[in-house]
Amino acid sequence: SAVISQKPSRDICQRGTSLTIQCQVDSQVTMMFWYRQQPGQSLTLIATANQGSEATYESGFVIDKFPISRPNLTFSTLTVSNMSPEDSSIYLCSVEERPGTGGANTGELFFGEGSRLTVL
Amino acid sequence: GENVGLHLPTLSVQEGDNSIINCAYSNSASDYFIWYKQESGKGPQFIIDIRSNMDKRQGQRVTVLLNKTVKHLSLQIAATQPGDSAVYFCLNDYKLSFGAGTTVTVRA
Repeated sequence: SAVISQKPSRDICQRGTSLTIQCQVDSQVTMMFWYRQQPGQSLTLIATANQGSEATYESGFVIDKFPISRPNLTFSTLTVSNMSPEDSSIYLCSVEERPGTGGANTGELFFGEGSRLTVL
Repeated sequence: GENVGLHLPTLSVQEGDNSIINCAYSNSASDYFIWYKQESGKGPQFIIDIRSNMDKRQGQRVTVLLNKTVKHLSLQIAATQPGDSAVYFCLNDYKLSFGAGTTVTVRA
């Protein structure tokens, strides 16, 4: 199973600043996903990041607010830009290590420990 | 994305009893579902999955049931243990989750 490391694990940020979260995987993976988990909520998919192409954002999320980089098959970053208190959340990186036996989109997701951001 | 919540946000269960956690989904196009467990301060972990051409799948102490007619998914945990205390939620093949999750607390 893939091992995922996220940095920072937590941070306290000032309103209006930006923070970049790093996600490092111990194996090469095609698909990486960024999620947000607000207090008391389940996971909300922000975007899918594939190496060599622009990230695909879900409804309600835009590149200007959450720019993503995917320079290679083991690394990705998510930046939370111009933060407000509403951005206080846990941000999770995940990877689909391989498609499941059922075909595409049926692979197991492995998650990092998350980055807990508090915006004051 | 999905926009249907879980039936119960919290579940308190006596150690040794069976637990049942539910999910409802709205997207009929979903072809694959996964249950995840998230312990406090950790990232979610895969528990079990099921494809839409199945109505039941069993793992170690866990069983997932899928009722496509009513778009309902359930996770049954047999002989619940203290280590099962966590938040449980489900995702579909579009990597979207349903609801806020169910927090399971196991009483000793």
